[in-house]
Amino acid sequence: GQNIDQPTEMTATEGAIVQINCTYQTSGFNGLFWYQQHAGEAPTFLSYNVLDGLEEKGRFSSFLSRSKGYSYLLLKELQMKDSASYLCAVMDSNYQLIWGAGTKLIIKP
Amino acid sequence: EAQVTQNPRYLITVTGKKLTVTCSQNMNHEYMSWYRQDPGLGLRQIYYSMNVEVTDKGDVPEGYKVSRKEKRNFPLILESPSPNQTSLYFCASSNLGDSHAGELFFGEGSRLTVL
Repeated sequence: GQNIDQPTEMTATEGAIVQINCTYQTSGFNGLFWYQQHAGEAPTFLSYNVLDGLEEKGRFSSFLSRSKGYSYLLLKELQMKDSASYLCAVMDSNYQLIWGAGTKLIIKP
Repeated sequence: EAQVTQNPRYLITVTGKKLTVTCSQNMNHEYMSWYRQDPGLGLRQIYYSMNVEVTDKGDVPEGYKVSRKEKRNFPLILESPSPNQTSLYFCASSNLGDSHAGELFFGEGSRLTVL
C-alpha cells in the first residue's frame, strides 16, 4: 500500500531551527509537496521537490532523497506565526496526491 | 483575484436532508478535487475531476456524489447525510499543464455538522 509518515507533533522555540521529516512509500513518484495549514484554515502550498537535493525559499527549505524515500522541511528563524500544521504529500504514478496526516508545530516564546 | 470559492462555509443539518456544497474556481484549472479532513486522519480525497464531464472516485467516495458540467464548478452532493459525514470539507483545483501540477489551490473550507 501507499504510505506517508511524519511526526504527529513537534515543539520548537521562537528564533530557533526545526526540521520536520517525511518518509514515503508510494506507487511511483512524480514529486513531493509541502503545505502549511493554520488551524481552521485551508492548506497553502510551500514547496515542491522532484529531484534530489535542497530547495531553498526564504526561511523555508525542503530536501528530497528519492532513493531513501525521504524528505524534510527546514524552518529557520522561527516566528510565532509559523505555528501550524505542515503536510507532506507525494504525487504517485497516476498523478494523484497521497497525503501524510500532518505535523503540528508548536512554537514557544 | 485568483481563488477557489466554497459555499456554505458553515452548515448544520439533520440526517437525511439532501445538501449541496458548491465550489467554483476562476483560474481555468482542469483539475478539481474534494477532500474531507478529520482530526488525526489528515486530508482524504472524496472525488476528483480531470476535466469537464470526467469524474473519478477518491479514497472515501461513499455517501457522496459530484458533477462537472462546467470547467469552473464542481459541486459536492450529499444525498442523505449521516452523522459520520460531519467534517471539514475542502475543494481544491490545479492546472494540470503546470510543471508541478500538485500545487493545489484550496477553498476556505466548509464545516459541516450532521445531527
